Amino acid sequence: GENVEQHPSTLSVQEGDSAVIKCTYSDSASNYFPWYKQELGKGSQLIIDIRSNVGEKKDQRIAVTLNKTAKHFSLHITETQPEDSAVYFCAASTRSGSGNTGKLIFGQGTTLQVKP
Amino acid sequence: DTGVSQDPRHKITKRGQNVTFRCDPISEHNRLYWYRQTLGQGPEFLTYFQNEAQLEKSRLLSDRFSAERPKGSFSTLEIQRTEQGDSAMYLCASSVTSGDWVNTGELFFGEGSRLTVL
Repeated sequence: GENVEQHPSTLSVQEGDSAVIKCTYSDSASNYFPWYKQELGKGSQLIIDIRSNVGEKKDQRIAVTLNKTAKHFSLHITETQPEDSAVYFCAASTRSGSGNTGKLIFGQGTTLQVKP
Repeated sequence: DTGVSQDPRHKITKRGQNVTFRCDPISEHNRLYWYRQTLGQGPEFLTYFQNEAQLEKSRLLSDRFSAERPKGSFSTLEIQRTEQGDSAMYLCASSVTSGDWVNTGELFFGEGSRLTVL
């Protein structure tokens, strides 16, 4: 079945530095790749997503790149701030039957610590 | 607050007991998902509904697990004869989608219901 691998499991950076988290997926039919931020006591929130028809998407300090050939995608956070500290999950959507279920397969998560 | 709400937030039970979790999605969201998350892992898909129809169940969802969404609004997830291995965070998420295969709606997650089985 579909599998998503995420690395690293933990990442510590100094405030102002960049952070990169990488994911690989196994199902070549996957076409939607969101990133979620999970903070303690809060529901996971979508921070950025990318569809398979584009290779890169940027939103202020956050960007995501997708390499369909290699089946990997990455999250880039620039100018990190202490409030970026959280657990980040990548995910890939899998299709079932005739439609897109919206069902997400998640990576294992990356705990990002931004030191002031 | 108009987000996804889950109840209870935390449940401690003894092995063998039954537990039920409730999820209230964002109103007018036609899709509702249940996920399970254990410490240090990403959420694992359990099942999902489109309106009141349960369209897919994971192999993780054993016979002891049952989920319903009777009126296409709130959903319940019941675990019968709980086992220690059921201890996890149970997450609910909802989305709105037109059904178009290229239109994957953003999933909005609740804060989760943490189950501890003693």
